Amino acid sequence: QVQMVQSGAEVKQPGASVKVSCKASGYTFTTYGISWVRQAPGQGLEWMGWISADTGNTNYAQNFQGRVTMTTDTSTNTAYMELRSLTSDDTAVYYCARGSYYAEYFPHWGQGTLVTVSS
Amino acid sequence: EIALTQSPGTLSLSPGERATLSCRASQSVYSSYLAWYQQKPGQAPRLLIYDASSRAIGIPDRFSGSGSGTEFTLTISRLEPEDFAVYYCQQYGSSPWTFGQGTKVEIK
Repeated sequence: QVQMVQSGAEVKQPGASVKVSCKASGYTFTTYGISWVRQAPGQGLEWMGWISADTGNTNYAQNFQGRVTMTTDTSTNTAYMELRSLTSDDTAVYYCARGSYYAEYFPHWGQGTLVTVSS
Repeated sequence: EIALTQSPGTLSLSPGERATLSCRASQSVYSSYLAWYQQKPGQAPRLLIYDASSRAIGIPDRFSGSGSGTEFTLTISRLEPEDFAVYYCQQYGSSPWTFGQGTKVEIK
């Protein structure tokens, strides 16, 4: 069965960077794209961007352009999301989500990683 | 960017009742590429409906989706206790993919 297992919770100071991992299993990693979605406390879902696990091509939401980098490691079937210049507004649960074979709706999600930005 | 507006913000219903949730898009959604998710506290979202009306694997048939263009609806025919949660719509027809702000279905 498809599983997406994310790294553990992080506490970061303002101005720092965070890198969250998402290890996929149960399917051919390079067949599907992976998106990152975040959710601030008590708020809705916000799509951050997408990466092709095959080509490494990316598509970032404008809100995160210049501050986020998404990568994949096909040798370990792991996707990464790095967010820089953190502020308290970046405190959120960050999810990875696998798309379908033809479009970017999300049948499979990671469990979420809480990133807390606090001095 | 396509903005999605969900209504109502909160729906207060009793088990056994019918729930009708709306998702309105600011522009036509290409190919009816619209999905619905259910989220419970402390959990990741769960896909219910994709392509506006196709049920995801394992989703009970009391969940149904309809609509096209800019107007979409999620219907829960008879609410079960486990259906009380927050529901989000998402469009994936035009980048950036966007989510609605959510509708909370609570027990009356």
